Parts: sequence; structure tokens; C-alpha cells
Amino acid sequence: DSGVTQTPKHLITATGQRVTLRCSPRSGDLSVYWYQQSLDQGLQFLIQYYNGEERAKGNILERFSAQQFPDLHSELNLSSLELGDSALYFCASGQGTGAGELFFGEGSRLTVL
Amino acid sequence: SQQGEEDPQALSIQEGENATMNCSYKTSINNLQWYRQNSGRGLVHLILIRSNEREKHSGRLRVTLDTSKKSSSLLITASRAADTASYFCATEPNTGGFKTIFGAGTRLFVKA
Repeated sequence: DSGVTQTPKHLITATGQRVTLRCSPRSGDLSVYWYQQSLDQGLQFLIQYYNGEERAKGNILERFSAQQFPDLHSELNLSSLELGDSALYFCASGQGTGAGELFFGEGSRLTVL
Repeated sequence: SQQGEEDPQALSIQEGENATMNCSYKTSINNLQWYRQNSGRGLVHLILIRSNEREKHSGRLRVTLDTSKKSSSLLITASRAADTASYFCATEPNTGGFKTIFGAGTRLFVKA
């Protein structure tokens, strides 16, 4: 158990809809990272937060947004969903602003029909 | 585009054999990490090697880093069926931005 909790584990929705994925980082970790993994692909870095502030942005679509709250949990909002958004979305947490060891949640599997 | 690229994409070996996976990256880095992912599960950190280190060991794992060639290798010795998983290298570019960028991974299958 990594200590990182992601909900929901599975989500099925229709094109055009909006969903919110939630992540609770490991106790004591201030950084949260979001990654997207499409079928049999590597992980695409989406965005990173540190102590409530956005620190780095990757290939995150404008239809996607995220935030980190004062209690350090984070949410990833995906809107106007398309079929191609179907993927595993991982949250990872780490201690500092610089990357070191990341602790991953089990992911949220999104299926867009 | 991916910062790191693993080679080979897939590898099938017999239990007891050694498995070697390679990773090449594009920009200068602060450190390089290797992670393991069992099918559909979250990634698990294996080992981190800093840019000023050349080799690191952890149990049956041996990692090398050649910053001049921008490449790293992961060696798993005496492989076991339980080592069957995907292995990813991840790099932290030193261009700033605090990103950890993952490669596409190597799928390892160890036959019992």
C-alpha cells in the first residue's frame, strides 16, 4: 500500500460529460502529480502541484483542469469528454518540489462511451 | 514527446536468466529512476540514481547511468516469474519545472 488513495477506481461515462477524479496524497507529502496512461502506453505527465500551488504543467488539455486544496488532496477535472480520453489516470505524491521517489495510487480507470 | 525511451519494448526470458532493459533520454537530468508496474496497477519505485552516480545496486537490481550517452540500463539478475511486469525509466530534467517524465516502458515476461 503506497498510502496514496484515488477515487473512484472505475468510472464509465458518455462523451461530452464531465468527471472529477480525486487523490489523497501520502501523509506528509506536499507534492501531487497527475499522469494519464492510455492502453498499453507509457505515462503522460499532466500537471504537478506543491502545497496548493501549480508547479509544472505537461501535456494537459485545456478541457482538463486540476487543483490542490489546503488539506493537500487534489482533484483532476475532465470536461467535454471524448472517446480518446479513456485511460488510466494516476496520481502520485512526493515529499518536495523536486522529483524524488514518487508514490503512486492504484489509478482511476475512465471509460468514455 | 517522451523524455525517456526504453528498449526493448518487450522481453521474454526463462526463470533464472538475467534481464537487461535500457533507457535513453534526451535532455540533461538531475536523476533517473526505475519503476515497476504490474498489469493495470500503480507504479512502484525500484531505484533512483543521481546524475553524479554511475552504478547502483539494490538486491537483484543493478542500474547504470551514462550521462555522456544519455542512457541507463536496468539489470535484473536471476529473474523470477514474479518479476513479470512493465518497467519504466523516469527522468527529472534539470531544465527546471519539477517534472518527472516517464518512458513508454519495457514489458518483461519471465517464464517459469
